[in-house]
Amino acid sequence: SQTIHQWPATLVQPVGSPLSLECTVEGTSNPNLYWYRQAAGRGLQLLFYSVGIGQISSEVPQNLSASRPQDRQFILSSKKLLLSDSGFYLCAWRGRVFCTFGSGTRLTVV
Amino acid sequence: AQSVTQLGSHVSVSEGALVLLRCNYSSSVPPYLFWYVQYPNQGLQLLLKYTTGATLVKGINGFEAEFKKSETSFHLTKPSAHMSDAAEYFCAVSGTYGGSQGNLIFGKGTKLSVKP
Repeated sequence: SQTIHQWPATLVQPVGSPLSLECTVEGTSNPNLYWYRQAAGRGLQLLFYSVGIGQISSEVPQNLSASRPQDRQFILSSKKLLLSDSGFYLCAWRGRVFCTFGSGTRLTVV
Repeated sequence: AQSVTQLGSHVSVSEGALVLLRCNYSSSVPPYLFWYVQYPNQGLQLLLKYTTGATLVKGINGFEAEFKKSETSFHLTKPSAHMSDAAEYFCAVSGTYGGSQGNLIFGKGTKLSVKP
């Protein structure tokens, strides 16, 4: 069966520091992969999606970037974090119909 | 383009009462519709989905939703609330699998509280 792993679960980072969040999927090949951010009262905002290795589409201009170095690996990065980058980050992969989500990373920028 | 509106950011019901969470969508293509549930500091879990066919969809934990094309709605219901139903619920819409229309677009969520 397919599983999705996301880490770390929580992260506290100072303003201006770099960021790297990793997501991996098992049990499927060539999945569509997604990064969402959840901020209080704002629902889930789609940040990036990828349909294949090296193929990244950005939905919202921001301080973040994404990369897909391997078929089942999706990385969210930042060179310099801002306070506004705080939030709950969720990785997901899509099968034929619906998305399956990872357990999320709570990022607090201080 | 697709969008989702969830009416009511907070809904409170008594244990045993009917749960009704409202969702209206906008889509330029035939939609796939979803309800997800999120417990604190966890990821999202799929409750139910509508793709094609029967418009009344049953999901896990006793929830169901009805797709009404004429009303562009996909409201979530449960006949009798349980304390364990307290969580945040998200409605989402997408097109079919391919391309950017396959991306799930979410509403802002409705937080359900259940009073004893």
